[in-house]
Amino acid sequence: GAVVSQHPSWVICKSGTSVKIECRSLDFQATTMFWYRQFPKQSLMLMATSNEGSKATYEQGVEKDKFLINHASLTLSTLTVTSAHPEDSSFYICSARDRVIAEAFFGQGTRLTVV
Amino acid sequence: GENVEQHPSTLSVQEGDSAVIKCTYSDSASNYFPWYKQELGKRPQLIIDIRSNVGEKKDQRIAVTLNKTAKHFSLHITETQPEDSAVYFCAASDNAGNMLTFGGGTRLMVKP
Repeated sequence: GAVVSQHPSWVICKSGTSVKIECRSLDFQATTMFWYRQFPKQSLMLMATSNEGSKATYEQGVEKDKFLINHASLTLSTLTVTSAHPEDSSFYICSARDRVIAEAFFGQGTRLTVV
Repeated sequence: GENVEQHPSTLSVQEGDSAVIKCTYSDSASNYFPWYKQELGKRPQLIIDIRSNVGEKKDQRIAVTLNKTAKHFSLHITETQPEDSAVYFCAASDNAGNMLTFGGGTRLMVKP
């Protein structure tokens, strides 16, 4: 149980394009999902908290118009990196909170490389 | 908000020796403290966690201690093995299902 699937696991895109990353809870419902970003050799930093059916809450310094989050169902949240630039290259990891047991589980992460 | 400091940033030990990683936190409302092991390119893997109503928890070669008064917690790995080599992160939260604030990470190298 408690499987969180993140897709794609890696993506290379051209500068200026947009990339969508999906985070799915496969065997539980998640009213809340968290999006983290991890630059090479650094720690994980929370970007935003995604709530099903409402607007995401962004951490200070994270541009909401650049990192679009949609949490339209209890099992899916998406993060879209718009107009990606090389400095957006990073490891993006979601974490989904099981609404029943109130524990959160990580997806496998998405390695984004912008060229 | 919460701030988590982790030391050391790198740690090299000989196989069979013990390794200790320490973290401090700032928010007294935090009461959930997980430790993660992350291998290159992979998701963080929860290895042990502790809640504030407990001072110590052990799972085979891994133990975690918590001092809520001093706001610090530590990870202890005994009888280290080369496969323990990875980056370890501590984290803090007010709840197991809420957002985590991570420490800066410790790169552990176990030399055979």
